[in-house]
Amino acid sequence: GAVVSQHPSWVICKSGTSVKIECRSLDFQATTMFWYRQFPKQSLMLMATSNEGSKATYEQGVEKDKFLINHASLTLSTLTVTSAHPEDSSFYICSARWDRYTDTQYFGPGTRLTVL
Amino acid sequence: AQKVTQAQTEISVVEKEDVTLDCVYETRDTTYYLFWYKQPPSGELVFLIRRNSFDEQNEISGRYSWNFQKSTSSFNFTITASQVVDSAVYFCALSEAGDYKLSFGAGTTVTVRA
Repeated sequence: GAVVSQHPSWVICKSGTSVKIECRSLDFQATTMFWYRQFPKQSLMLMATSNEGSKATYEQGVEKDKFLINHASLTLSTLTVTSAHPEDSSFYICSARWDRYTDTQYFGPGTRLTVL
Repeated sequence: AQKVTQAQTEISVVEKEDVTLDCVYETRDTTYYLFWYKQPPSGELVFLIRRNSFDEQNEISGRYSWNFQKSTSSFNFTITASQVVDSAVYFCALSEAGDYKLSFGAGTTVTVRA
């Protein structure tokens, strides 16, 4: 159990375009999902917390207009990188909190974004 | 202030050697949770263990063991008889009660050579 998927696994786009990344909990309902960003050889940095049916909570320094998060259902959260630029190139990872173990997060496989 | 410190950036060992990864945390909460995750080259984080602040009992799972000491705010991880498949980046993380956000350490890259 506790499987989280992400789609796409990798994406290459041109500067100025928008990219949507999906995060799904496959076998459980996730009331809370999290979005992280990881640069090469660095740790994970939390970008935002996404609760189903409400607005996402962004961490300090994360532009909410640039990184749009929607958590429309208990099994799906999406991150849209708007007007992407090369500096947005990174590994984006989502996680979901499984209520049965409320404080344990299960992670998706990540999405590698490259902006040309 | 950094909440989780993993002082070892990289560790390289020969297969079958034991390797211990250090993790020191900082929190003012009395209720908190500590985690270890493994990130192999594929990138996907794999959950290894969760420990709450009231449970200082050490744990062993196969070749993995964890030593939690509140007195020194440490939650160290040992891989016994390491194998090449253990090569990965290992992250220690802290979650404070009611928050559920994870603060990750910088990670320790473990390379096990055959």
